[in-house]
Amino acid sequence: IAGITQAPTSQILAAGRRMTLRCTQDMRHNAMYWYRQDLGLGLRLIHYSNTAGTTGKGEVPDGYSVSRANTDDFPLTLASAVPSQTSVYFCASSDSLAGGNEQFFGPGTRLTVL
Amino acid sequence: GQNIDQPTEMTATEGAIVQINCTYQTSGFNGLFWYQQHAGEAPTFLSYNVLDGLEEKGRFSSFLSRSKGYSYLLLKELQMKDSASYLCAVMDSNYQLIWGAGTKLIIKP
Repeated sequence: IAGITQAPTSQILAAGRRMTLRCTQDMRHNAMYWYRQDLGLGLRLIHYSNTAGTTGKGEVPDGYSVSRANTDDFPLTLASAVPSQTSVYFCASSDSLAGGNEQFFGPGTRLTVL
Repeated sequence: GQNIDQPTEMTATEGAIVQINCTYQTSGFNGLFWYQQHAGEAPTFLSYNVLDGLEEKGRFSSFLSRSKGYSYLLLKELQMKDSASYLCAVMDSNYQLIWGAGTKLIIKP
């Protein structure tokens, strides 16, 4: 089934631990994104990638890193988790960065940092 | 700064019509999106407006006025399954989406 998958579905993590959230899409989309969604706030862009091999910083990149080794995968790494990174994380993809291309979202990862 | 404003919560009756407003101030404008998000699920695309006017898609319509920095989403013949949050997002000059906090729509029988 075409779409985006994310793993894990949820995770409880001790502060200071390293964590990688996985994201894979099979739509051959060029652009991919990582957002976090917090209660009372809009989705906030963490990092994005315009195409394989390139990445860019969004609105809230500090404490996060990404890589885009191929078209399909876009992992998000928290090098040393802090409680303020407790959130729901959504990965998304679109045909390209520009214009009216809708973004397709994965099911999300609910992360709790204690 | 960039800002998207929409009401936090609205209530409507099954079978009725509801209009959800969105006002925005952004660095540049490359279109406005509406997404639907059911509780605990991912956002899903509803509509895209880049030119002024009304775009109709079944029971849902979306309107844009760029000069006023204003959009609305109109939902007709409301059904219980329309209970969800509706997210307004504007694509800025860097082609990044700036999102509103969402409007939670509660449908009552």
